[in-house]
Amino acid sequence: QITLKESGPTLVKPTQTLTLTCTFSGFSLSTNGVAVGWIRQPPGKALEWLAILYWDDDNRYSPSLKSRLTIAKDTSKNQVVLKMSNMDPVDTATYFCAHGYASGSYYDHWGQGMLVTVSS
Amino acid sequence: DIVMTQSPESLAVSLGERATINCKSSQSVLYSSDNKNYLGWYQQKPGQPPKLLIFWASTRQSGVPDRFSGSGSGTDFTLTISSLQAEDVAVYYCQQYYSTPQTFGQGTKVEI
Repeated sequence: QITLKESGPTLVKPTQTLTLTCTFSGFSLSTNGVAVGWIRQPPGKALEWLAILYWDDDNRYSPSLKSRLTIAKDTSKNQVVLKMSNMDPVDTATYFCAHGYASGSYYDHWGQGMLVTVSS
Repeated sequence: DIVMTQSPESLAVSLGERATINCKSSQSVLYSSDNKNYLGWYQQKPGQPPKLLIFWASTRQSGVPDRFSGSGSGTDFTLTISSLQAEDVAVYYCQQYYSTPQTFGQGTKVEI
């Protein structure tokens, strides 16, 4: 049974760096073909893909956010960490992590998501 | 980036009737080497994460009722709910995973 859960601060100030942790179980990110992605959703708006990390440490970022994002894994802890620098109020959103596949990254298991508010 | 455009933005359907949602990509998401369309459909209910319904454009995810079906190829895709149930009220999104950045449609709200 695959589960994922996001954790981190619910409130950050503008210009700060957001650090979100995705803790998962039921799979290993060292297994060939596995991936974990991050997707966000501003209140009342559509889904926006942010980044993906593959089992082999390869990664991809949204070009519009690439300069602000860093994704990394801690295989021993079954965690993926996403960092987003220089936060702005427009980054207020629910942030989801999700399990995917290197061969085609649809997401078949999602965390519940966590709302991050950017405000001074 | 591949732009995903869904239509309509919202849809009201009577219980037991058919609901059809369209998704058009700005370029083909059919990968010639494996003849697969890199297109997925998700259902999202308020306060919940998205739920995968369909992947590879027409493969139903395990546990998804067979009233949900996906069709299409290349740039034009459709999600059909053959007989709408009350629990199908939700927002539906298409997603292309042909290339990064992966992109989602803007969503279609389905109501009774």
